[in-house]
Amino acid sequence: EDQVTQSPEALRLQEGESSSLNCSYTVSGLRGLFWYRQDPGKGPEFLFTLYSAGEEKEKERLKATLTKKESFLHITAPKPEDSATYLCAVQAHGNKLVFGAGTILRVKS
Amino acid sequence: DGGITQSPKYLFRKEGQNVTLSCEQNLNHDAMYWYRQDPGQGLRLIYYSQIVNDFQKGDIAEGYSVSREKKESFPLTVTSAQKNPTAFYLCASSIGVAGQGRNEQFFGPGTRLTVL
Repeated sequence: EDQVTQSPEALRLQEGESSSLNCSYTVSGLRGLFWYRQDPGKGPEFLFTLYSAGEEKEKERLKATLTKKESFLHITAPKPEDSATYLCAVQAHGNKLVFGAGTILRVKS
Repeated sequence: DGGITQSPKYLFRKEGQNVTLSCEQNLNHDAMYWYRQDPGQGLRLIYYSQIVNDFQKGDIAEGYSVSREKKESFPLTVTSAQKNPTAFYLCASSIGVAGQGRNEQFFGPGTRLTVL
């Protein structure tokens, strides 16, 4: 059974304190790994897609990386506006995605 | 502006009532999806449709029904058979088969359903 585990469940950072979120997955035949950002009461916002081990994508203060077993979302010098829940999902067979439970990030000024 | 709209934003249902959640997209996407989100859990797939007039059950389809009569629209009905319907419901779409395996899904703003 395809599984996605995100850690930590919650993370509190001071503004400017860099850190990483983890997404571990077990899937037969990874076709894509997706990162989303979700603000309270809103729908998830697409951030990145990663397709193969070694791939990296960057957007502003965020950088996503992928290995054969996990993905990291690195946040460099975060600001309070980066506070949100970050969701990871994997695509195996077909078009279905399997989501992790998310990491709640709080950045304090 | 291309995007996905969901209505209503908040919905209240009495016990024993059926309610229908609307989802419309103007992205010209073939595939559409319905998810349920509960606190502390990942998104769970209810139903999905890869083409007009066709849809498949997801992981938690019991107590729900859908239709896909138009490419742009994928309404979800929460029936009285769904025993715990209070949740945040999210609709998504993706380019589908034409995207050659790419499956970035784009989400609407969600509908919060509460059973009174």
